[in-house]
Amino acid sequence: GQQVMQIPQYQHVQEGEDFTTYCNSSTTLSNIQWYKQRPGGHPVFLIQLVKSGEVKKQKRLTFQFGEAKKNSSLHITATQTTDVGTYFCAGDSGTYKYIFGTGTRLKVLA
Amino acid sequence: GAVVSQHPSWVICKSGTSVKIECRSLDFQATTMFWYRQFPKQSLMLMATSNEGSKATYEQGVEKDKFLINHASLTLSTLTVTSAHPEDSSFYICSASYPSSGNTIYFGEGSWLTVV
Repeated sequence: GQQVMQIPQYQHVQEGEDFTTYCNSSTTLSNIQWYKQRPGGHPVFLIQLVKSGEVKKQKRLTFQFGEAKKNSSLHITATQTTDVGTYFCAGDSGTYKYIFGTGTRLKVLA
Repeated sequence: GAVVSQHPSWVICKSGTSVKIECRSLDFQATTMFWYRQFPKQSLMLMATSNEGSKATYEQGVEKDKFLINHASLTLSTLTVTSAHPEDSSFYICSASYPSSGNTIYFGEGSWLTVV
């Protein structure tokens, strides 16, 4: 079945440093979504990417969808302590059934 | 954005009993809802797809007789963990697909189940 992997699994950065998490799917995706989950909380929707090669920005966050629609990345510029949490990608192969990636847990050191 | 409510947030039950978790879409009709399970520090594992008015579709390895899903209306899906055991203790979370926003998924707050 479809598998979605994310690297790295964990990332500790100093506040102000940049952070990137990568998402790779075993199958071609129709679209990909990104979520942030704070400790003890539920996943919160960040963004959806649909088009091949699409790049979207939300303030310090930049999301990219690969040309082959099998990979994606999330880049945070100048991290802040409020960025702490686990970032998940979730891919849909066209069935509206989203499979979540393994997640990247970000810790920001002040 | 769309709101999905889940109840209860926390539940403790004795081994062998059953517990029901409700998932409601408060301001939209959700023909499809999804149930996930999340163990501590792990990803969300899709358990089943709940379709209004029809049987749920379970993922491979998920026992349908153990995890009963009912989607009786366009705004309510329920997950019943039957004959619960300590290994069923987990974070269960539902989501609903919101068609008007390109099928963005909106999550409930989740339910922590502890079986003692």
